[in-house]
Amino acid sequence: GQNIDQPTEMTATEGAIVQINCTYQTSGFNGLFWYQQHAGEAPTFLSYNVLDGLEEKGRFSSFLSRSKGYSYLLLKELQMKDSASYLCAVRAWGYGQNFVFGPGTRLSVLP
Amino acid sequence: NAGVTQTPKFQVLKTGQSMTLQCAQDMNHEYMSWYRQDPGMGLRLIHYSVGAGITDQGEVPNGYNVSRSTTEDFPLRLLSAAPSQTSVYFCASSYSGYTTTEAFFGQGTRLTVV
Repeated sequence: GQNIDQPTEMTATEGAIVQINCTYQTSGFNGLFWYQQHAGEAPTFLSYNVLDGLEEKGRFSSFLSRSKGYSYLLLKELQMKDSASYLCAVRAWGYGQNFVFGPGTRLSVLP
Repeated sequence: NAGVTQTPKFQVLKTGQSMTLQCAQDMNHEYMSWYRQDPGMGLRLIHYSVGAGITDQGEVPNGYNVSRSTTEDFPLRLLSAAPSQTSVYFCASSYSGYTTTEAFFGQGTRLTVV
């Protein structure tokens, strides 16, 4: 089976750094993805990790440890527009290698 | 490119009614999927297709049917709507099941069953 866990809510201050954790247990692993979803909108792709280590993309970085079933998304220099839900998703062998999503972490950025 | 287009954006149904949610993509993607999103539960896979003529069940398929007669279209049918099907529905497509290909989502359909 598949199980993905994330914190439900987080709060941070504009200009700060925030780390959103994701733990997963899957039968077969084929990549971990992070999506951003603003309220009332569709999810949009942020980053993915296949191998262990850190991937950096501007203000966003994502880390993966396959042996620990653990990933995090790091957001630097937070802006008000970063207030959104962040979805951790795993591509796993079940369901035709479709994405299995975690419950999402709602991030509120305060001035 | 339009990407993934879903219609309608909002719908209210009475219990027992049937309807079809439309999804079309113009990116020539092989993979298409339907998810529902409920508060606190994230996106859950309803049905998916890995190519025209091929469909399969996801995590929560009961009460829904799909078909994939063309690469572009992947409609989702609610057979007899129930209040438990009140949710936001997202259609997604991706090039394939390969690791590095992300999914593109439609704008969602907010469905209320009364």
